[in-house]
Amino acid sequence: GDSVTQMEGPVTLSEEAFLTINCTYTATGYPSLFWYVQYPGEGLQLLLKATKADDKGSNKGFEATYRKETTSFHLEKGSVQVSDSAVYFCALSDRNDYKLSFGAGTTVTVRA
Amino acid sequence: SQTIHQWPATLVQPVGSPLSLECTVEGTSNPNLYWYRQAAGRGLQLLFYSIGIDQISSEVPQNLSASRPQDRQFILSSKKLLLSDSGFYLCACSGAGRYNSPLHFGNGTRLTVT
Repeated sequence: GDSVTQMEGPVTLSEEAFLTINCTYTATGYPSLFWYVQYPGEGLQLLLKATKADDKGSNKGFEATYRKETTSFHLEKGSVQVSDSAVYFCALSDRNDYKLSFGAGTTVTVRA
Repeated sequence: SQTIHQWPATLVQPVGSPLSLECTVEGTSNPNLYWYRQAAGRGLQLLFYSIGIDQISSEVPQNLSASRPQDRQFILSSKKLLLSDSGFYLCACSGAGRYNSPLHFGNGTRLTVT
């Protein structure tokens, strides 16, 4: 079945550092890919998405490119802030299904 | 835009007691509805999803059940809670019939079973 594997955390960074969170997927078809963010004590929010190969999703300084050849959707941000401290989830949805498959989540802590 | 109301925000229940968590959605019709559980330090586990009234799929066999009495209402229940039912329960919705529609999440219910 479809699955998502993302980099295990926790990740601790200093402010203005570069952030990368790796995400790879396994799917039988052509899934849509998502990154969600969960701030402490809250539900998840959609951060960005890409629906086809080579699409780049971007939001709040974060970017991720749908790479079909490497089945990856790595999340990047060039200069993180303390407010980016959160748990980040990679997810995919298959064309033939209504469910999203989530990765295990990566906890990111940014220190001032 | 879609708004999800989920309550209560926190709940402490003894082992063996019943459970009822409610979720209602505003701003959309005939949404797909989902219940996820997030155990401490772990990822999201899909428990149930529904693409319409009387259409509920269970992903994980356990002592939980779900019902959808109205188009935009989704209820998670248990007759007897277990310690392992502790976790953060999230209700989510997406657009009807759209596989790549992003999920919108409620703020969650933190359940502690003692």
